[in-house]
Amino acid sequence: DQQVKQNSPSLSVQEGRISILNCDYTNSMFDYFLWYKKYPAEGPTFLISISSIKDKNEDGRFTVFLNKSAKHLSLHIVPSQPGDSAVYFCAAENRDDKIIFGKGTRLHILP
Amino acid sequence: KAGVTQTPRYLIKTRGQQVTLSCSPISGHRSVSWYQQTPGQGLQFLFEYFSETQRNKGNFPGRFSGRQFSNSRSEMNVSTLELGDSALYLCASSRSSGFSGYTFGSGTRLTVV
Repeated sequence: DQQVKQNSPSLSVQEGRISILNCDYTNSMFDYFLWYKKYPAEGPTFLISISSIKDKNEDGRFTVFLNKSAKHLSLHIVPSQPGDSAVYFCAAENRDDKIIFGKGTRLHILP
Repeated sequence: KAGVTQTPRYLIKTRGQQVTLSCSPISGHRSVSWYQQTPGQGLQFLFEYFSETQRNKGNFPGRFSGRQFSNSRSEMNVSTLELGDSALYLCASSRSSGFSGYTFGSGTRLTVV
């Protein structure tokens, strides 16, 4: 049973425009949600997180929105830059301190 | 400060063999988690060790095992390798547990032939 779902395997966005990556989850007991970014041949790096009691968290060009009623979160990147091309993993932490990842979305920023 | 170090970076093994992967966490980090990354499956949680004890375990067969030493370094062992075990194995460390305190290593790319 996949508790964290990223339904878009890939996404292409023009440089300078907004990139929106989506994530759905099934477990309402998750405490925190996180986004990680991964370049080829490197480990994932933490990008931004949001507590389950918040609905928005912003850090520079990155904003994460949480809609608890829809069990949905999204990552907005604006403006998109070439260096944003990577695989983005959505993750959720449950109360057992286990972090569960989605399958990832590959973001391509087009020149 | 030094990051999470995983060795070796690349490994080729034959079906039926066993393999041991190593992870040295960031100094001061006591929690080490292991993940398997395969195309189409994302990052799948294997297990987490904290203070030499396994604290969480994912849904992998018993061929996958691990341990943690008193200096927080961790090893992961896979016995009787299968072709489907080919993957990138990632280790992540944190001070205690969870979210933004997670730092990943660059991974060990295991190929089973």
